[in-house]
Amino acid sequence: SQKIEQNSEALNIQEGKTATLTCNYTNYSPAYLQWYRQDPGRGPVFLLLIRENEKEKRKERLKVTFDTTLKQSLFHITASQPADSATYLCALVGTTDSWGKLQFGAGTQVVVTP
Amino acid sequence: EAEVAQSPRYKITEKSQAVAFWCDPISGHATLYWYRQILGQGPELLVQFQDESVVDDSQLPKDRFSAERLKGVDSTLKIQPAELGDSAMYLCASSFPRNTEAFFGQGTRLTVV
Repeated sequence: SQKIEQNSEALNIQEGKTATLTCNYTNYSPAYLQWYRQDPGRGPVFLLLIRENEKEKRKERLKVTFDTTLKQSLFHITASQPADSATYLCALVGTTDSWGKLQFGAGTQVVVTP
Repeated sequence: EAEVAQSPRYKITEKSQAVAFWCDPISGHATLYWYRQILGQGPELLVQFQDESVVDDSQLPKDRFSAERLKGVDSTLKIQPAELGDSAMYLCASSFPRNTEAFFGQGTRLTVV
């Protein structure tokens, strides 16, 4: 069966350091992968998208890599700030899925301490 | 800034009662999604609309859940009868057709007692 796995343990990190989150998938042929941020009690907010033929994408302090051989995406927050504290979700759309049908991982909580 | 509107924000209902959630997507977004998110898990797609047509409802428990988008704009998700296991956050999202970025509403937190 299809699986999307993210670290279930919270990532505690000091302000200014780089946070690195992992998203692994199995039994999936992804067309593209997205990362969302979710604050408690709120809906997810889109951050970045990377397509299956792309290796890396950047947006301000965020960077996403995509390795379809390893079936893995890494999400980096550089120069982290306390305001970056949230849960980060990865989501995939498979090549056989209806357009936009996002399959989410469970998310990883990031806590940035001053 | 345009937002996806959902109501109510919170709903407490008794088991076996009917409950309904409403969503108004961002203007011009033809694609609308309903997701369910259980605490500690990622959102799970229940139903996807393109205009007023259902594109995917493979994960919708059709014996008790129904969704409609009659005029291709706002949408209603109904549960009847509600069960304890339905307690979750119900999220609505919308996007332009074949656009990859989904915009989510604040969600409706449902508690079934």
